[in-house]
Amino acid sequence: AQRVTQPEKLLSVFKGAPVELKCNYSYSGSPELFWYVQYSRQRLQLLLRHISRESIKGFTADLNKGETSFHLKKPFAQEEDSAMYYCALSGDFNKFYFGSGTKLNVKP
Amino acid sequence: DTGVSQNPRHKITKRGQNVTFRCDPISEHNRLYWYRQTLGQGPEFLTYFQNEAQLEKSRLLSDRFSAERPKGSFSTLEIQRTEQGDSAMYLCASSALIAKNIQYFGAGTRLSVL
Repeated sequence: AQRVTQPEKLLSVFKGAPVELKCNYSYSGSPELFWYVQYSRQRLQLLLRHISRESIKGFTADLNKGETSFHLKKPFAQEEDSAMYYCALSGDFNKFYFGSGTKLNVKP
Repeated sequence: DTGVSQNPRHKITKRGQNVTFRCDPISEHNRLYWYRQTLGQGPEFLTYFQNEAQLEKSRLLSDRFSAERPKGSFSTLEIQRTEQGDSAMYLCASSALIAKNIQYFGAGTRLSVL
C-alpha cells in the first residue's frame, strides 16, 4: 500500500544549525516525491519536487530509491524556516499521498 | 485573484444536515483536487477532476460525499447527513495539465459538525 511516513512530529533547532526532516515512503512503482510547506496562517505551497533537483530557499532533497527516502535538508536553518512541512508522493492515477507533517521550529 | 478560492472559509452545522463547499481553481487549470485534513494529519486525497470528468475517487469517500465540476471550472463538494467525524478542513487544489503535479492549494473550508 502507498504510504508516506514522517517520523518526527516536531523538530526544534537553533538558528544556523543544520536541519534534516525525514520522509520515508512505500510505493511499488516509480513515484514522484514532493515537499510542501505551510507557514503560519498561510496556505499549503509547494517547496520542491524531486525531479527538479533544485535548491529552494536553501533546502534540498534527494530521492534515495534504495532506502525509499526523500529527506529534506538545509545546512543553516533560519528563523523564517519555521513552518509545517509535509512530504508527499504522487503515484498511479495522479493520486497524492501526504505524510502527517513535521513542525520545524527554529529558535533564535 | 490569481489563487485558488474556497468558500465558505468556515462552516458550522448540526449533525444530519447537508453542507456544500465551493472551490474556484486558478483559471485555465484543468485539474482540480479535493482533500480532507484532520488535526495532526496531512491532507488526505478525496477525489480529482480533469476538466469536468471525475477521474479518481478515494475508497475512503463514503456515499454521503459527492463532488461535481459541471463546466470544468469551479467545483462543489457536498456532504449529506453530516456526522461529527466529518469535522475537518477541506482543501481544494488545482494544477495545469502541462505541469500536472504542481498543485496550488486554497485556504480551505473548516467544517465543524455539532
